[in-house]
Amino acid sequence: DVKVTQSSRYLVKRTGEKVFLECVQDMDHENMFWYRQDPGLGLRLIYFSYDVKMKEKGDIPEGYSVSREKKERFSLILESASTNQTSMYLCASSFLVGLSSYNEQFFGPGTRLTVL
Amino acid sequence: AQSVAQPEDQVNVAEGNPLTVKCTYSVSGNPYLFWYVQYPNRGLQFLLKYITGDNLVKGSYGFEAEFNKSQTSFHLKKPSALVSDSALYFCAVRDKLSGSARQLTFGSGTQLTVLP
Repeated sequence: DVKVTQSSRYLVKRTGEKVFLECVQDMDHENMFWYRQDPGLGLRLIYFSYDVKMKEKGDIPEGYSVSREKKERFSLILESASTNQTSMYLCASSFLVGLSSYNEQFFGPGTRLTVL
Repeated sequence: AQSVAQPEDQVNVAEGNPLTVKCTYSVSGNPYLFWYVQYPNRGLQFLLKYITGDNLVKGSYGFEAEFNKSQTSFHLKKPSALVSDSALYFCAVRDKLSGSARQLTFGSGTQLTVLP
């Protein structure tokens, strides 16, 4: 079974703190993704990476950065946490997109971040 | 641009009755379509996907979905609902013409409640 793990299930931080969310996958997937999930808004893509040291902005990258130094690990960084970043954060991974198919994403359990 | 709509925030159905969770999409070309399920305090789990071929797709836990190109829909169905099917369901779409790994757009989610 594919396993995507996230470093914390619940996290409480204070406004202005630097926050690191870690994600690790064990299936040698090329693609990794960070989403945030908010009620009524579904999942919104923050950043994704298709290779080590490669990253692309998603739909809502402001206030976030990412790091991918190893293939299996993808980190989301909140440089200076704000209360509007209180949310559920989901990491996902998938094999590289092919020309005639598209591979499903496998998700971690999520990190519920509260910024006070 | 691509988008997906789940017109119902909440669906209630009695146990043993058939269930339908609706999804419509908009893409420039042809779509890849997905359904995911999220149980409380868990990440998303893949249910099924439509890539090409037969319009009726069968997936996990007895779920199926029908791709209807003329109506741009991909409704999720199950002949006989179980209480354990109660969860949050997400539809997602990717345009086959999209050249980037990121282009999976999620709907806002439908909360399914199966009543005993």
